[in-house]
Amino acid sequence: EIVLTQSPATLSLSPGERATLSCGASQSVTYNYLAWYQQKPGLAPRLLMFDASTRATGIPDRFSGSGSGTHFTLTISRLEPEDFAVYYCQQYGSSPPYTFGQGTRLEIK
Amino acid sequence: ELQLVESGGGLVKPGGSLRLSCAASGFTFSNAWMTWVRQAPGEGLEWVGHIKSKTDGGAADYAAPTEGRFTISRDDSRNTLYLQMDSLKTEDTAMYYCYTFFRGGQQGLWGQGTLVTVSS
Repeated sequence: EIVLTQSPATLSLSPGERATLSCGASQSVTYNYLAWYQQKPGLAPRLLMFDASTRATGIPDRFSGSGSGTHFTLTISRLEPEDFAVYYCQQYGSSPPYTFGQGTRLEIK
Repeated sequence: ELQLVESGGGLVKPGGSLRLSCAASGFTFSNAWMTWVRQAPGEGLEWVGHIKSKTDGGAADYAAPTEGRFTISRDDSRNTLYLQMDSLKTEDTAMYYCYTFFRGGQQGLWGQGTLVTVSS
């Protein structure tokens, strides 16, 4: 089972700033099949990125994903008020289980 | 409109059973790999398992904590996904979501979730 470790656990930033969220894998993620999700309180998650660097339909271009192998990054270039939420990474490249990271809480400073 | 709607959650005693449903609409359900994800109160997301489309073999895979107790199935004629949960434990208390990913459409689709509470 691949273990995903997200850092930091909490990130405190102001609107307009740049956010960098990390996701490390215990072993290489096959085909870089890694997704990022955003979740706001009381709502279902929302797919932001898949295959490490492809934005899902309707996701603003201030969101970008990068990385390969065991280290992946989600970058939000200029934070908008609606971006403050919890972010999860998930790998779906190797055999199941398709594990999630523990999440990064992005909070307003 | 693309939609997934879960139902069947509720309060159940430890050792009991519950069957969740996920009704799909707006897409060709039979072609979709379908996934169950759960989230315990105040916790992160946990992959429960998935079921492949019948054209891809139709097999289901499970996370270790649920294997042997949970069964994922599908009825393509009813466009419905199921999660049969047996021998429930207090640690199974969570919001349960169904989910699918459309690679061609580059989007993911989540249901609104259904809450399962396991308590005596």
